[in-house]
Amino acid sequence: GAVVSQHPSRVICKSGTSVKIECRSLDFQATTMFWYRQFPKQSLMLMATSNEGSKATYEQGVEKDKFLINHASLTLSTLTVTSAHPEDSSFYICSARDPPLREQYFGPGTRLTVT
Amino acid sequence: QKEVEQNSGPLSVPEGAIASLNCTYSDRGSQSFFWYRQYSGKSPELIMSIYSNGDKEDGRFTAQLNKASQYVSLLIRDSQPSDSATYLCAVNPGGGADGLTFGKGTHLIIQP
Repeated sequence: GAVVSQHPSRVICKSGTSVKIECRSLDFQATTMFWYRQFPKQSLMLMATSNEGSKATYEQGVEKDKFLINHASLTLSTLTVTSAHPEDSSFYICSARDPPLREQYFGPGTRLTVT
Repeated sequence: QKEVEQNSGPLSVPEGAIASLNCTYSDRGSQSFFWYRQYSGKSPELIMSIYSNGDKEDGRFTAQLNKASQYVSLLIRDSQPSDSATYLCAVNPGGGADGLTFGKGTHLIIQP
């Protein structure tokens, strides 16, 4: 299957600071990438869809000004958590698909802890 | 609101037996269906995808889809202790351009 990387794997930051997470498709070009969030003991929830060269589409209830997404190239999407708060602590996972295939492949995830 | 339902388990199965995992979904127009395996603390790993009614086999795994009943299942034959994980059912409303809606997952335990 397709390979997706994510960096960093783990980050601890102080409340009020911003954190950037990178998602890369390593062996294919991904016109669309997706960002999910998973809280402990819960399933994955889609946050936003990232389209190369255009604005991201956010799911209902996700603050677009807090979670900034930039999909500047066919292999890279970034998620910036701005003014992070302890309630933003979660497991953030990106996925990408290799069109025209329908399958989404997930990166290894980034565990964010806000103190 | 689109929903995907799974029994959270835990589902305990003896080693070597068949594990049967089930999933129902609410959006009748859904077209793409996936099973992911997630180990504790790790990200999901794609196990199977299925798009048409019927069965799809890949090694020890068989996915079954019944769109009329809005039902997807995953069978794992010759279960191994390494199959112990949470299995997530995911549904895509269209041909792949949309994000996935996940069920809460079924925790599977394979007993040696």
